[in-house]
Amino acid sequence: AQSVTQLGSHVSVSEGALVLLRCNYSSSVPPYLFWYVQYPNQGLQLLLKYTTGATLVKGINGFEAEFKKSETSFHLTKPSAHMSDAAEYFCAVVNQGGKLIFGQGTELSVKP
Amino acid sequence: KAGVTQTPRYLIKTRGQQVTLSCSPISGHRSVSWYQQTPGQGLQFLFEYFSETQRNKGNFPGRFSGRQFSNSRSEMNVSTLELGDSALYLCASSPQLAIQETQYFGPGTRLLVL
Repeated sequence: AQSVTQLGSHVSVSEGALVLLRCNYSSSVPPYLFWYVQYPNQGLQLLLKYTTGATLVKGINGFEAEFKKSETSFHLTKPSAHMSDAAEYFCAVVNQGGKLIFGQGTELSVKP
Repeated sequence: KAGVTQTPRYLIKTRGQQVTLSCSPISGHRSVSWYQQTPGQGLQFLFEYFSETQRNKGNFPGRFSGRQFSNSRSEMNVSTLELGDSALYLCASSPQLAIQETQYFGPGTRLLVL
């Protein structure tokens, strides 16, 4: 069965610093992987997705993620954090039945 | 295109009551999925509807049900509400079945059960 583990329920960075949010998955089939962001009192917004092809995926707002099959990882990065990046981030994998399986989420804080 | 809309945005009910939540997908999208989000359990899949048929179901009791209309709009119903049903209920739509499609989420309906 597919599952997702996000390391760190809360990450704090300074403005301008590197953002690294970790996601590991387990899947018995080639995975479809997603990162979503949720701002307070809002729904989820897609940041980026990996289905097939290039393993380095670029998303919106300067985020990118790299699919590493050997490490079963799909970590999210951004070179320079902005105050507006403060939100909760969810990694997700689609299982064979089409269900989105989410990680527990990582809350990102950005200090001025 | 307009995004996914959900009504109502906020709802307060008491235990034992029932509630119906509505979701209008993005125009042209045929699949609608529902998720429950709570602080303790995180985001959990409820069910997916496609062409008015339930195609997938999560591990929720039968008190949770849904349906989809011919215009792809969907409703979910929770009967005999329990305190633990307090949550943010999110609806997501995709053009086809969700298995490899990007799902686009609405803002959610926040349900409080007293």
